[in-house]
Amino acid sequence: AQSVSQHNHHVILSEAASLELGCNYSYGGTVNLFWYVQYPGQHLQLLLKYFSGDPLVKGIKGFEAEFIKSKFSFNLRKPSVQWSDTAEYFCAVNTNYGNNRLAFGKGNQVVVIP
Amino acid sequence: EPEVTQTPSHQVTQMGQEVILRCVPISNHLYFYWYRQILGQKVEFLVSFYNNEISEKSEIFDDQFSVERPDGSNFTLKIRSTKLEDSAMYFCASCGWGERYNEQFFGPGTRLTVL
Repeated sequence: AQSVSQHNHHVILSEAASLELGCNYSYGGTVNLFWYVQYPGQHLQLLLKYFSGDPLVKGIKGFEAEFIKSKFSFNLRKPSVQWSDTAEYFCAVNTNYGNNRLAFGKGNQVVVIP
Repeated sequence: EPEVTQTPSHQVTQMGQEVILRCVPISNHLYFYWYRQILGQKVEFLVSFYNNEISEKSEIFDDQFSVERPDGSNFTLKIRSTKLEDSAMYFCASCGWGERYNEQFFGPGTRLTVL
């Protein structure tokens, strides 16, 4: 079964700072990778996804993530955060086999100080 | 844009009581899921449902849990006799087919509190 690790559960930074959230997964086969965001009081929303092709994927709101297969990583980045990026960010993975179940990391609580 | 909806947003119940959490997936989706998140922990997969039957369930999804799609729109999760440790946020998700198969859309969640 797949598992996902996210470190630095709480991240506090100032507006305009750069953000990078790490995500590592364990699974030997082909995976699909996702970052979801949960704004305060709202539901999980898809930020971006990687299925195949260019390992650098761009998502909504200026976020991007890079899939590095050799490192089993899919780190999320944003060059300049805004106060509105305050949210919880979840990395998730599934495979093309089985029933598409998602395995989530523990999440990163990001607080952006104006 | 179509959304997954869930009701109620918050449910408080006594230990041992039955609860039913309701979800309305996106209308043309075929695959349905329940996940839960205990406070401070990971979002965990509970069960997936396709073609009117369970396609996969996790070890968490024991005999106390059941799912149903009683009509063409609702997808429910029943917990027969709630325990304190069932207190969690429960998320419903759905996805389509083909290119959309791997993208799951989540509802806002139901916060279940068992006293």
